[in-house]
Amino acid sequence: EAGVVQSPRYKIIEKKQPVAFWCNPISGHNTLYWYLQNLGQGPELLIRYENEEAVDDSQLPKDRFSAERLKGVDSTLKIQPAELGDSAVYLCASSLAGDTLYEQYFGPGTRLTVT
Amino acid sequence: AQSVAQPEDQVNVAEGNPLTVKCTYSVSGNPYLFWYVQYPNRGLQFLLKYITGDNLVKGSYGFEAEFNKSQTSFHLKKPSALVSDSALYFCAVPMNRDDKIIFGKGTRLHILP
Repeated sequence: EAGVVQSPRYKIIEKKQPVAFWCNPISGHNTLYWYLQNLGQGPELLIRYENEEAVDDSQLPKDRFSAERLKGVDSTLKIQPAELGDSAVYLCASSLAGDTLYEQYFGPGTRLTVT
Repeated sequence: AQSVAQPEDQVNVAEGNPLTVKCTYSVSGNPYLFWYVQYPNRGLQFLLKYITGDNLVKGSYGFEAEFNKSQTSFHLKKPSALVSDSALYFCAVPMNRDDKIIFGKGTRLHILP
């Protein structure tokens, strides 16, 4: 079974430029998460989807970040414009449901460097 | 608010020795507790979880964790460390059962050959 797929794996952009990350969750997983992980820190939730609906986006900086999950499968996270402080690893995860009884499966992440 | 603390940034253990990675928690009600591992250049992987029942929880790769309510701890253990266990380990707790998971800052485990 394929795991959570993310692309690109690495991205280097100049500040003020836009950037987008793509995630394909495990087949059949209704819940999809986007996390931000800074160096030396644990992941922090940005947004959680239940199918197409964003059920928790309280930590998403909506002035520059946006996300979508069309058709309840793949998801895209966008930053526009990027700032130096956005340099981090962006992780996507999926699970069967939002109940924490279900394990979250993580992708390898996208390492973003903003110069 | 729910939280977890990992007091050690790094733990060094000789191969073949037992290892312990510490985690303490602060939660209201009955806690759900998790351990995840992150190998270099790979995503986080679920190791084990405590929901209810036996205080000793067994997980992947020979790891286990002991839930101690009186000490509010959920330490990760393994009887005999392998070099391949070298990774970043995260303790985690959900805000609520159907809510986001809060991760600790992580503990880097080095197994010395």
